[in-house]
Amino acid sequence: EAQVTQNPRYLITVTGKKLTVTCSQNMNHEYMSWYRQDPGLGLRQIYYSMNVEVTDKGDVPEGYKVSRKEKRNFPLILESPSPNQTSLYFCASTPSRQRTSYEQYFGPGTRLTVT
Amino acid sequence: AQKVTQAQTEISVVEKEDVTLDCVYETRDTTYYLFWYKQPPSGELVFLIRRNSFDEQNEISGRYSWNFQKSTSSFNFTITASQVVDSAVYFCALSDPEGNKLTFGGGTRVLVKP
Repeated sequence: EAQVTQNPRYLITVTGKKLTVTCSQNMNHEYMSWYRQDPGLGLRQIYYSMNVEVTDKGDVPEGYKVSRKEKRNFPLILESPSPNQTSLYFCASTPSRQRTSYEQYFGPGTRLTVT
Repeated sequence: AQKVTQAQTEISVVEKEDVTLDCVYETRDTTYYLFWYKQPPSGELVFLIRRNSFDEQNEISGRYSWNFQKSTSSFNFTITASQVVDSAVYFCALSDPEGNKLTFGGGTRVLVKP
């Protein structure tokens, strides 16, 4: 089954404790992206990657890091989480050459709480 | 910079009523793409429609229809004869010409009461 998976689905952590949210897709998509969803603000793009080793900032990259060492994986790293990073996070992917032609396939979401 | 505004934060209707969700966007690009996504209570994001800036033809898919008006920078979404299963948050989104950046509106929560 074609899908985007995220782990963990739920995470409660404390301020300053480094964490990684994994994202993996099995569709051989070149383009992947991370978003955060906050009430009233919709989804805001954090980082995106057009291919292996090619990443760029979205609208709200502060406090986050990403890496793209393999095509299928695009982890989101919070090196020193803070309470304002409490949010619902979505990973998405799409075939690169069809970025503008097709919708992005979204993962199920990761709900992160930083206390 | 791109911007998407969904002025209606919440709409409540009774089943079988029609409901229209407004979406107004801002962009300096002449080529762009517009999307609607549905987020049901279960939380996943479901793609509904994509429209490019050169195609102003309105579209109907079952009970769903979309009205794209470039002159007013609007891409409105209508659910005809709403059903309880339509209860969800609906997001309008705008993509840059390359498809790298997707900007979402704040979402409109639709509550359909039986």
